[in-house]
Amino acid sequence: DADVTQTPRNRITKTGKRIMLECSQTKGHDRMYWYRQDPGLGLQLIYYSFDVKDINKGEISDGYSVSRQAQAKFSLSLESAIPNQTALYFCATSDSTARDTGELFFGEGSRLTVL
Amino acid sequence: AQKITQTQPGMFVQEKEAVTLDCTYDTSDPSYGLFWYKQPSSGEMIFLIYQGSYDQQNATEGRYSLNFQKARKSANLVISASQLGDSAMYFCAMREGIGSGGSNYKLTFGKGTLLTVNP
Repeated sequence: DADVTQTPRNRITKTGKRIMLECSQTKGHDRMYWYRQDPGLGLQLIYYSFDVKDINKGEISDGYSVSRQAQAKFSLSLESAIPNQTALYFCATSDSTARDTGELFFGEGSRLTVL
Repeated sequence: AQKITQTQPGMFVQEKEAVTLDCTYDTSDPSYGLFWYKQPSSGEMIFLIYQGSYDQQNATEGRYSLNFQKARKSANLVISASQLGDSAMYFCAMREGIGSGGSNYKLTFGKGTLLTVNP
């Protein structure tokens, strides 16, 4: 099983629907991140969390919200999905306690299509 | 302003040859880190190599090496003896500190370079 698991892996939805992407990790890491990937734009940071009580907006947080339900779980919500939120979404973790290079460990990605 | 610049949207290389993927960065923080990740067509992000700003030697990991030129703010990835399986998107990323204390980070990514290895 993957250390960082994202569900669903693929989702097609309609404009205006509420969508939740879930991320859980078994790595025991304290930091969790949500990134969005669009073709030609690289990865852009949506939200990040350094522990359960610490949640911060990234570069492109408009239209998104998050919940850190536990150290191991970090969910991303689109309250009212719109077509330009069609993208590949990555959850990632990093560990502040080990040899801390800041390396990110990624989930397999969630491909979201908004029609 | 872009903090990570990858100027090559696409690159081609013949199998068994070496290839260099360019990355320049911009930061005023004396402590930073540079990463390269590989994304094959299947979509997952695979960590390749890391270079810390204070590291004296260029990082190497198997066929991957990072040509770190601090004064030029460049961190180019060199892949030696290219293989067909190296065909993928490659992302350069920089670790930046967030907030006070210097113990929390985020990674900022470049737009990527699509490498195609020809047989």
